[in-house]
Amino acid sequence: QVQLVESGGGVVQPGRTLRLSCVGSGFTFNTYTIHWVRQTPGRGLEWVAVISSDGSNEYYADSVKGRFTISRDNSKNALYLQMNSLKREDTALYYCARSRVGATAFDYWGQGTLVTVSS
Amino acid sequence: EIVMTQSPATLSVSPGERATLSCRASQSVSSSLAWYQQKPGQAPRLLIYGASTRATGIPARFSGSGSGTDFTLTINSLQSEDFAVYYCQHYSNWPRTFGQGTKVEIK
Repeated sequence: QVQLVESGGGVVQPGRTLRLSCVGSGFTFNTYTIHWVRQTPGRGLEWVAVISSDGSNEYYADSVKGRFTISRDNSKNALYLQMNSLKREDTALYYCARSRVGATAFDYWGQGTLVTVSS
Repeated sequence: EIVMTQSPATLSVSPGERATLSCRASQSVSSSLAWYQQKPGQAPRLLIYGASTRATGIPARFSGSGSGTDFTLTINSLQSEDFAVYYCQHYSNWPRTFGQGTKVEIK
């Protein structure tokens, strides 16, 4: 069955860095676009970043552009989110989610990894 | 950025009744609209895509309609497992954006 499993969350001080990972299984990883989406009680669901199936294209939300970098290693069925210059407002539950190539919905989501930015 | 607005914020419905949820986009998204269900402690689950197509395994009591800027999710004969938060999302351009959610609670 399709699975996406996130890891790497934790408590980090403002200004520091964190790297999230997401490993996919049960599907052909290198044929899917993968997204990061975060969720907070106050701001709800917020799309963060996306990377194309072959890793050649990336898009970011304005709120993270220049600070976060999405990447993938299809040989490991893995997705990453490098988070630099973290701010308190980056505190959230971070999900990875897949979509088919093109303008499509997010058909499977991981269970999320919690990032807390606090001094 | 396209702003997605859902109404109402909370909907109180008795089991067996129908729930009607609305989602409005600030500009046309054509039919590039999805609905997700989220229960406490769980990730969102895709219910509807293309505004009206049920995702795999979604019961027929869930239906979606609309195009352009106005969309509706209808849940017929609400079951106990349907009480949850529902989100709409467009995927017509970047950034993808979500509505703030409608909580369907037991009346």
